[in-house]
Amino acid sequence: AQKITQTQPGMFVQEKEAVTLDCTYDTSDPSYGLFWYKQPSSGEMIFLIYQGSYDQQNATEGRYSLNFQKARKSANLVISASQLGDSAMYFCAMRKRTGANNLFFGTGTRLTVIP
Amino acid sequence: DVKVTQSSRYLVKRTGEKVFLECVQDMDHENMFWYRQDPGLGLRLIYFSYDVKMKEKGDIPEGYSVSREKKERFSLILESASTNQTSMYLCASSLGAGGRRNEQFFGPGTRLTVL
Repeated sequence: AQKITQTQPGMFVQEKEAVTLDCTYDTSDPSYGLFWYKQPSSGEMIFLIYQGSYDQQNATEGRYSLNFQKARKSANLVISASQLGDSAMYFCAMRKRTGANNLFFGTGTRLTVIP
Repeated sequence: DVKVTQSSRYLVKRTGEKVFLECVQDMDHENMFWYRQDPGLGLRLIYFSYDVKMKEKGDIPEGYSVSREKKERFSLILESASTNQTSMYLCASSLGAGGRRNEQFFGPGTRLTVL
């Protein structure tokens, strides 16, 4: 069965430093997609970055990059030069299976950026 | 600008009441989703719909039903609200059909309290 694991309930990072949020997944499907979302205290989910299982390069979107290690089934989010506005919950999600349109979410990591 | 709206940000209901949560998207998306979010559990899928009048159960459908009479509108119904349905409810929509098209766009959420 598909599974997403985020082992860090909470993380702290100093402003302007980089931080890595961990995500491991389990699937037997060769084709899958991985997503990261940010949820600030306002509650709305904001899409950050996407990685397809067949993508050759790690995805990057501005200060966000995804450290995709397929053999280890990990898709860690790296945030460079942290800002106070990065304080939020972060969720890793996976498209459940080929042909499916629904995502399966991890339990999230709460990131706090310290001034 | 893409948009998913939900009928209420906050809702307080009594045990046994019938509750309707409405969601509207303006992106002509095929797929719509209802999640509930609880601390430490992440987002859990209640129901989703991939077309008008079509619906599929998610991971926790018990106690809920849905309706999709028009493409842009997806309603979540609690037939007889119970206190264990107190939660944050998030609606989302996506284009679907693989890759980045599975990105889900979320509404602002409805925080439901059942007394």
